[in-house]
Amino acid sequence: GAVVSQHPSWVICKSGTSVKIECRSLDFQATTMFWYRQFPKQSLMLMATSNEGSKATYEQGVEKDKFLINHASLTLSTLTVTSAHPEDSSFYICSAPDLTGGGETQYFGPGTRLLVL
Amino acid sequence: DAKTTQPNSMESNEEEPVHLPCNHSTISGTDYIHWYRQLPSQGPEYVIHGLTSNVNNRMASLAIAEDRKSSTLILHRATLRDAAVYYCILSYSGAGSYQLTFGKGTKLSVIP
Repeated sequence: GAVVSQHPSWVICKSGTSVKIECRSLDFQATTMFWYRQFPKQSLMLMATSNEGSKATYEQGVEKDKFLINHASLTLSTLTVTSAHPEDSSFYICSAPDLTGGGETQYFGPGTRLLVL
Repeated sequence: DAKTTQPNSMESNEEEPVHLPCNHSTISGTDYIHWYRQLPSQGPEYVIHGLTSNVNNRMASLAIAEDRKSSTLILHRATLRDAAVYYCILSYSGAGSYQLTFGKGTKLSVIP
């Protein structure tokens, strides 16, 4: 199946700093990518939809100025957590739909674990 | 939004078949039924999807009720590596957004 990678796989940062997470589709192009956040023992919550060549769309309650999304190319989307605080510590996961097989199958990255001290 | 209902947890013995149920009584005619699973500390993994007919692949089988209001994911021989949270999700076909809404899923435990 298609492969989506994320980098880094984990990151520890100090409160107030910014962290950038990359999401790449390795063997297919994705005009749309999705960013999710998952807290311990909870399900995935959609944060935003990343659109190549246009602005991202954010889910209700997600601060667009705090979680900056840039879809620079058809294979790369980045999520920057600005001025991170301990409550931003979470598991961040991206996904991209591969339309070639029909049915809009989504392929997920392995996730990035963020710990803000 | 068309929602799904799954049991919170299930147990299976290793090498036994597992039937994971999902109810989706408000499914619309163009909604695909997707199954994903998530192993601990990993991103979700695609398992299988279907529209109306039953589907088989190397990982699992998907049995869809004739009225499409329920479906069952079948793992033919559970292994310890199948222990995961399984999510049944309806995809919004035709809307153009392709986003997935995750419920709580079913946590499958496999007993050696």
